[in-house]
Order: sequence, then structure tokens, then C-alpha cells
Amino acid sequence: NAGVMQNPRHLVRRRGQEARLRCSPMKGHSHVYWYRQLPEEGLKFMVYLQKENIIDESGMPKERFSAEFPKEGPSILRIQQVVRGDSAAYFCASSPIRIRQDGELFFGEGSRLTVL
Amino acid sequence: SQELEQSPQSLIVQEGKNLTINCTSSKTLYGLYWYKQKYGEGLIFLMMLQKGGEEKSHEKITAKLDEKKQQSSLHITASQPSHAGIYLCGADPSNAGGTSYGKLTFGQGTILTVHP
Repeated sequence: NAGVMQNPRHLVRRRGQEARLRCSPMKGHSHVYWYRQLPEEGLKFMVYLQKENIIDESGMPKERFSAEFPKEGPSILRIQQVVRGDSAAYFCASSPIRIRQDGELFFGEGSRLTVL
Repeated sequence: SQELEQSPQSLIVQEGKNLTINCTSSKTLYGLYWYKQKYGEGLIFLMMLQKGGEEKSHEKITAKLDEKKQQSSLHITASQPSHAGIYLCGADPSNAGGTSYGKLTFGQGTILTVHP
């Protein structure tokens, strides 16, 4: 999992500010997934992206959250007007192929967002 | 939606002891993933099981999938302090023998402490 790079590792924001979390997948991977781990809760799927496409955003909150994975550059998870309930660890994962019957997801180290 | 329940929630053992962590699904498991997470870090892939009755081992860790019981178990033999961490099971609800992607449902995790 060393190849999936997330930054920043730690981010502190005040209520109402914007948070931007970045994820660079492993070299050669074009599939990116974002997960959120809230305190005292499990890891929950948020969104699945391929280059320039959102494939599945069924786990994304309806408001304030957005994600993109441009043709060039990292994937970005954007949270507008953050609230204290957004404080969590946000993990990015990447995979090389869609069909993963023998594959695995490669996770990054996570970005820990604290909202004051 | 598929829900995964892990037991126990936490476990404290002496170094050298064997232990088992269980993961039970509300639906039939067609694919089951085990990850390890250390506090403040990302997820480390351990094993993926797909077939009923399948068993895999890596070093001192063995995982089994019992499809009839909708349950998977993770067994650690002769535990060491390096085994300490949070163990997470995850399932891909779309992996019914066909294509799948990285949208996993995770259990709440089992916190393992190993005393030297």
C-alpha cells in the first residue's frame, strides 16, 4: 500500500471553511475510491472514480461534498463549509483493474480532518 | 444492504497465545477481505477469500470462509506484539462470481492487543 499517496496527512479547519484532500493512486492505476472513517464508526465507502468520470457516488453526502479525478493530477475530495461532524479520517484506495477477482485494493495512509 | 458484524470488538492476549476473530454477514458472502490497520495509519491487505470453504494462510495468519454459515474467521497462531492493531473484514457485495470493483462494506473492526 506504500504507493497510494494522500495529502495532507493532517488538516485542521474551522467551521465554514473548505477542505481539500488529495490522492495520487499507484502508478498505472486509473481507479480511485474514497472512504471515510468516522470516530467510533467503521470504514464507509463514499465514491468511486475513474479518470474524468464518477462511476459510483452512492456513499457521498448529498451536500457540500464533491470528488473529481482529472485527466492529469491527483484525485481530489472537496468538502465545502465544513462542520464538526466532518471530522474523520478519509482514506483513498486505488486498483489496477475493474475486475478484481484475484486482486486487492491498495489503501493510502489517510488524511485526518479535524474541524474546530 | 450488506452488514458485517465482527466479534469480539476487542481482544487482549499474551504473546504466544492463539486467537480467532470472526466476521459474520447478514447476506451470503461471495467475497471477503481481511485488512489490518494500525492507529493513525492506512489499511494493509491481508487476504481475500472468494469460494465457500476456502482457506488461505500468510505467515502465522489463517483466514477461512464458510459460505454456508455466512461467516469468515481469522486465526493468528502464536501471537506477537507485531500482530497488534485493528483487524477489519470487508465484503464486496457485487462480487457474485462476476465483475467487481472496490466498493466494500466493512465491519466495525476488532482491536487486538498483544502483551509481551
